[in-house]
Amino acid sequence: EAQVTQNPRYLITVTGKKLTVTCSQNMNHEYMSWYRQDPGLGLRQIYYSMNVEVTDKGDVPEGYKVSRKEKRNFPLILESPSPNQTSLYFCATRDMMENTGELFFGEGSRLTVL
Amino acid sequence: AQSVTQLDSQVPVFEEAPVELRCNYSSSVSVYLFWYVQYPNQGLQLLLKYLSGSTLVKGINGFEAEFNKSQTSFHLRKPSVHISDTAEYFCAVSVPYSSASKIIFGSGTRLSIRP
Repeated sequence: EAQVTQNPRYLITVTGKKLTVTCSQNMNHEYMSWYRQDPGLGLRQIYYSMNVEVTDKGDVPEGYKVSRKEKRNFPLILESPSPNQTSLYFCATRDMMENTGELFFGEGSRLTVL
Repeated sequence: AQSVTQLDSQVPVFEEAPVELRCNYSSSVSVYLFWYVQYPNQGLQLLLKYLSGSTLVKGINGFEAEFNKSQTSFHLRKPSVHISDTAEYFCAVSVPYSSASKIIFGSGTRLSIRP
């Protein structure tokens, strides 16, 4: 079954404590991306990657890092989380060959920073 | 640059009533259009998409949308809603053959169904 798996699904942490949200896909997609979802703002792109070792900033990259060492994994790193990073985070992938832009989403990771 | 506007943040509807969720977009080039649905505590999944051809697109769960180029709209409709349609709905656009591969999302419309 085609899947995008995120972990953890829920996390409560404190300001400044580094954390990583993992994302793994089994669809062999080149493109992976992170979004945050906030009420009234829809989904905003944080970072994306078009292939291994290729990453680029999205619309709201401040305070986040990513890496793409393997095709299937695209972790999101918060080096020093702050309360304004409390949000619902989604990892998404797409098939670059298919070229319509259709995304496949993970189930989301709800992060609370106290 | 492209943008998407969903005109209603919340739409309450009685069960078995028809519903229309509105979406307008702005773009200087041709775009692909999507509707995604997010059920409670789940990720987004594709409801339907318009790439080209017939302007009336049918999706899953009885939903359909009509592409109107002159009004730059892509409104989502269902003739009779069910409690299970309670979800948040997102309209989105992407640019064909764009190497940046970016999808722009609207702010979402929360559909609540009353029994």
